[in-house]
Amino acid sequence: NAGVMQNPRHLVRRRGQEARLRCSPMKGHSHVYWYRQLPEEGLKFMVYLQKENIIDESGMPKERFSAEFPKEGPSILRIQQVVRGDSAAYFCASSEAEAYEQYFGPGTRLTVT
Amino acid sequence: DQQVKQNSPSLSVQEGRISILNCDYTNSMFDYFLWYKKYPAEGPTFLISISSIKDKNEDGRFTVFLNKSAKHLSLHIVPSQPGDSAVYFCAATSNSNSGYALNFGKGTSLLVTP
Repeated sequence: NAGVMQNPRHLVRRRGQEARLRCSPMKGHSHVYWYRQLPEEGLKFMVYLQKENIIDESGMPKERFSAEFPKEGPSILRIQQVVRGDSAAYFCASSEAEAYEQYFGPGTRLTVT
Repeated sequence: DQQVKQNSPSLSVQEGRISILNCDYTNSMFDYFLWYKKYPAEGPTFLISISSIKDKNEDGRFTVFLNKSAKHLSLHIVPSQPGDSAVYFCAATSNSNSGYALNFGKGTSLLVTP
């Protein structure tokens, strides 16, 4: 009865490198949400995906950020050419279809040096 | 703009007493409200939720009250235990193009002292 899995838990990247964050939803969950938490802030919605579809990416910066949720495998949040301001905790949450209750993974803490 | 606000950054309560965490919101279109508990370096853990058509929901030591006219909700923890010490986030949502994307407050850090 595994929960939401995220890896890596910690990721250090130099400015200009790429960061790839992975999320495996709970078994039976087909909806994935990504959130970002900056220090001393609440979580902010980034993107909402269903299998093979990006439903809404309105919370995600237009440049350098992308997300996918392929038919097979985990959802991936990709940040290209990272900058110091991308340093944050990134959380993935999953839910059943048409359900509002979301269950979160442990997060990936990204540090950009 | 912050649609969900938790105006108390921190709260300290003695073990065995009641903890009351408050949350205000501005968007009257929210349909569901949720409380999450978060320990450092972990993800938020779902605690309890309430639909906008109800004014109270109870689960064990946790009760959430919703006052729609005041756009206010609160989480009561009775009795408080040291293991309840964590950051509590209030979140609100409605079905939209973003699915049920959650709008979070900034959190209240609860400390329960023995």
